[in-house]
Amino acid sequence: SAVISQKPSRDICQRGTSLTIQCQVDSQVTMMFWYRQQPGQSLTLIATANQGSEATYESGFVIDKFPISRPNLTFSTLTVSNMSPEDSSIYLCSVGQMDGYTFGSGTRLTVV
Amino acid sequence: TQLLEQSPQFLSIQEGENLTVYCNSSSVFSSLQWYRQEPGEGPVLLVTVVTGGEVKKLKRLTFQFGDARKDSSLHITAAQPGDTGLYLCAGGLGNTGKLIFGQGTTLQVKP
Repeated sequence: SAVISQKPSRDICQRGTSLTIQCQVDSQVTMMFWYRQQPGQSLTLIATANQGSEATYESGFVIDKFPISRPNLTFSTLTVSNMSPEDSSIYLCSVGQMDGYTFGSGTRLTVV
Repeated sequence: TQLLEQSPQFLSIQEGENLTVYCNSSSVFSSLQWYRQEPGEGPVLLVTVVTGGEVKKLKRLTFQFGDARKDSSLHITAAQPGDTGLYLCAGGLGNTGKLIFGQGTTLQVKP
């Protein structure tokens, strides 16, 4: 299965600023997703990152707040824009392959 | 909106006990996956079941997919402290590749 490198692993940010999270995969993958998770709780899908086109966002998530790039089949970024304390969470990227889904280790974001 | 109800949300047991975690939905899923997650890490896939009535075993873990592909269970036999973690079920949404996650079950196995 694919190996994912996600950076940064954690960050503490001031409200009103933006943070870009990177997800690098060691092989080409078609399906790549971004999730949000409160510690110890379930995962909520933010969007599907589409290579060469705009990401597909789930209900409650918008491009202006969570812009996503997918320049090729091995890399994607998620930006959390104009952050507020409510954005404090764990953000994870995931890739889907024939043998299942693999997740990055997550980015723990704290907004102060 | 498709929902996956997972229960129980918390479970604290002694080493050697058995346990079962359930995931239920009113929706049909193309597949049902089970993950285990430890603090500071992403979820790790344990198993995928795709056929109604399918049963898969992974050492002391037994996974079952309901006949109608709306529910699933995870049974752990003789739990060990190393089984401690967050267990998540996730339903697959056909060709979209998307997953709907249950609320998660935090399992603590005490020595």
